[in-house]
Amino acid sequence: QVQLVQSGAEVKKPGASVKVSCKASGYSFPTHSISWVRQAPGQGLEWMGWISPYNGNTNYAQNFQGRVIMTTDTSTDTAYMELRSLSSNDTAVYYCARVADIVLVPALDYWGQGILVTVSA
Amino acid sequence: EIVLTQSPGTLALSPGERATLSCRASQRVSRTSLAWYQQKPGQPPRLLIYDASTRATGIPDRFSGSGSGTAFTLTISRLEPEDFAVYYCQQYGSSPLLSFGGGTTVEIK
Repeated sequence: QVQLVQSGAEVKKPGASVKVSCKASGYSFPTHSISWVRQAPGQGLEWMGWISPYNGNTNYAQNFQGRVIMTTDTSTDTAYMELRSLSSNDTAVYYCARVADIVLVPALDYWGQGILVTVSA
Repeated sequence: EIVLTQSPGTLALSPGERATLSCRASQRVSRTSLAWYQQKPGQPPRLLIYDASTRATGIPDRFSGSGSGTAFTLTISRLEPEDFAVYYCQQYGSSPLLSFGGGTTVEIK
């Protein structure tokens, strides 16, 4: 069965960077893009961008341009999301999610369990 | 920039009742690019509907989606206790490339 397993919670200081991981299993990793979505406490969902493990192509949301880097490692079927210059506004649960089909079904059909990233002095 | 507005913000209903949730887009959205998700506390979202009206794998048929253009609807025909949750619509293809509505909370009356 398809699974996305994310790394553990992180606590960071303002100005620092965080890099979180998302290990995929149960399907052919290169064939589906991975999207990252975050959710601040008590708030809605915010799309951050996505990456194609097949060719490394990325598309970042404008709000995160210049501050986020998404990568993948096809040898371990793992996706990574690094967010730089953290502020308290970045405190949120960060989810990875599989894109069903970028062209035909651009919905997010499987999700990781989420990682709480807390930014605090 | 496309904005998705969901209404109502909160819907208070009893088990067995019908729920009708609205998602309105500020610009036209392709039918193949509108999805609905359910999220329960402490859990990730779960895909319910894609292509505006196609149920995802394992989703009960009491959930249905409809609409086109700028107006979309998620209907839950008869609410079960496990259906009380937050629901989000999502579009793909317009700037921003992917975005979510603000959510509708379906709570027990």
